[in-house]
Amino acid sequence: DAGVIQSPRHEVTEMGQEVTLRCKPISGHNSLFWYRQTMMRGLELLIYFNNNVPIDDSGMPEDRFSAKMPNASFSTLKIQPSEPRDSAVYFCASRRQGDTGELFFGEGSRLTVL
Amino acid sequence: QKEVEQNSGPLSVPEGAIASLNCTYSDRGSQSFFWYRQYSGKSPELIMFIYSNGDKEDGRFTAQLNKASQYVSLLIRDSQPSDSATYLCAVNPGDAGGTSYGKLTFGQGTILTVHP
Repeated sequence: DAGVIQSPRHEVTEMGQEVTLRCKPISGHNSLFWYRQTMMRGLELLIYFNNNVPIDDSGMPEDRFSAKMPNASFSTLKIQPSEPRDSAVYFCASRRQGDTGELFFGEGSRLTVL
Repeated sequence: QKEVEQNSGPLSVPEGAIASLNCTYSDRGSQSFFWYRQYSGKSPELIMFIYSNGDKEDGRFTAQLNKASQYVSLLIRDSQPSDSATYLCAVNPGDAGGTSYGKLTFGQGTILTVHP
């Protein structure tokens, strides 16, 4: 079975540009999570969805960040405009509600903002 | 106070020894607890989860939970160089009203190095 699929794997952009990260959760999973990982702050939860509905976006750092989940098989995280401090690895994870609680992570999108 | 705290290490143990990784959490209502392993440049992968007080064993790994002390640990027996990684403790705050949807709060991670 395919795992969580994220794209792009690496993104280098200049400050002020728009960045869109994409995620395809595991088929049948109904909860989707966006995390950001940096050396300083570790893994931080940004936002999560249940059945395509955003449940909690309190971790989104600023209005420059937005996330959508238009259907059960696709989600985007957008940063506009991007800043150097947004440089991090962004992970998408999914799970099926009612299972053990394990989150399955994608391979991550490494973002560098120059 | 951070919600989930771990000693960042690095923790260095010789091959064959027992590695002990510790984690404390602040939310007394937390329901479930997870240990993830993350190799450099890779994504986190689940090693074990534990829900009840006591020990849970899976091969060379043992998770221990003490809810009264708000403490979770992971023991790795017969440590191997391939165990060298960052170990992340994660806590689910629980399904109070069914609203957590399984979100996990992670600690900063402990870097483990097993040397031959």
